[in-house]
Amino acid sequence: EPEVTQTPSHQVTQMGQEVILRCVPISNHLYFYWYRQILGQKVEFLVSFYNNEISEKSEIFDDQFSVERPDGSNFTLKIRSTKLEDSAMYFCASSGSRLIAGYNEQFFGPGTRLTVL
Amino acid sequence: QQQVKQSPQSLIVQKGGISIINCAYENTAFDYFPWYQQFPGKGPALLIAIRPDVSEKKEGRFTISFNKSAKQFSLHIMDSQPGDSATYFCAARSYRDDKIIFGKGTRLHILP
Repeated sequence: EPEVTQTPSHQVTQMGQEVILRCVPISNHLYFYWYRQILGQKVEFLVSFYNNEISEKSEIFDDQFSVERPDGSNFTLKIRSTKLEDSAMYFCASSGSRLIAGYNEQFFGPGTRLTVL
Repeated sequence: QQQVKQSPQSLIVQKGGISIINCAYENTAFDYFPWYQQFPGKGPALLIAIRPDVSEKKEGRFTISFNKSAKQFSLHIMDSQPGDSATYFCAARSYRDDKIIFGKGTRLHILP
């Protein structure tokens, strides 16, 4: 069964450093998402991406964050200058075409644990 | 309000018992209510979902009960098994946007 993959599984970085989290969505999916989960808290939406542009973003997704689909397979989340409060589990998700009536299921990757020291 | 409130935070149930997790929402624009199951080291995976035009949906041992007037919904796991031990998230979505609004999660442990 196809699945979303994410690398690395754990990233440790110093405050102020740039990090890039990588995701390979399910191959025929068109919609891509990033969520994060701070330890012990709920999973929070960050951004959705379709047709090479951001379709929606939350208030968390400020100028320090950016997303990119550099090629036909990868979807990346970049944090320009990490802060201590960016420490969290980051989940990538993807979903298929909206031609299917109703909601299209978002499939989540296993996450990247980001630790900012 | 974009919140979904979930309780309890953790739950211990004997094997064969019924596990019940409750959620409440305020935003009447929500019109799709999924439940996700998450095992350690994995991302959330869709377990079962319901729309507000029905009051109950059952898939195997998993049942969602939905009370539109109270803006509450719950997950019932019948004949709970040790393999059901996981974190469960209720969630809500609106057709108008992409984002899933998650509850805080319930860590369920089924005693063998």
